[in-house]
Amino acid sequence: AQSVTQLDSQVPVFEEAPVELRCNYSSSVSVYLFWYVQYPNQGLQLLLKYLSGSTLVKGINGFEAEFNKSQTSFHLRKPSVHISDTAEYFCAVSRAGYNKLIFGAGTRLAVHP
Amino acid sequence: DTGVSQDPRHKITKRGQNVTFRCDPISEHNRLYWYRQTLGQGPEFLTYFQNEAQLEKSRLLSDRFSAERPKGSFSTLEIQRTEQGDSAMYLCASSPSTDNTEAFFGQGTRLTVV
Repeated sequence: AQSVTQLDSQVPVFEEAPVELRCNYSSSVSVYLFWYVQYPNQGLQLLLKYLSGSTLVKGINGFEAEFNKSQTSFHLRKPSVHISDTAEYFCAVSRAGYNKLIFGAGTRLAVHP
Repeated sequence: DTGVSQDPRHKITKRGQNVTFRCDPISEHNRLYWYRQTLGQGPEFLTYFQNEAQLEKSRLLSDRFSAERPKGSFSTLEIQRTEQGDSAMYLCASSPSTDNTEAFFGQGTRLTVV
């Protein structure tokens, strides 16, 4: 079985500062990794995904993430955040070749002016 | 069709009543998923359809829950004899049959059981 741990439930940050949202996973089989963003009372939107290949993945809105197999991590980063990035961010994993997503508990990113 | 559509967006019901939610996936998507999200948590998988076939159900899906996708297009999720613990956001997602393609989520149905 797979599981996901998001190490921070809340991350406050000032506008234009860099941010890192941490995600660790566990799995005995090959996995694919995803980051989703959820704005209040909305569904989830995919930011980026890692399936294979380069371990540095670039996504929408200036976000990127790095897959580290040895540390079983998939941390999300942005070099300079905006007020509009305030949202809930979810890390998710699926077993390779299978669509079912297992989500972490989420990290609330709060960007302050 | 611009995305996954869910109806209603909000539902308030009294404990013990039955409720039914509808999901219309993106038209060319064969796969459809239901998830449940409680406050402060990530979404939890409930069930998965490939066309009209329900291929997997989570143990979270008790006997009071039933999902259908009769013609391989829209899907319904029914909860019978609702309980306060059923209060949650119910999310639907769809994806093409190609493995590991992005799952597109609807805006969800927020259920409040009073």
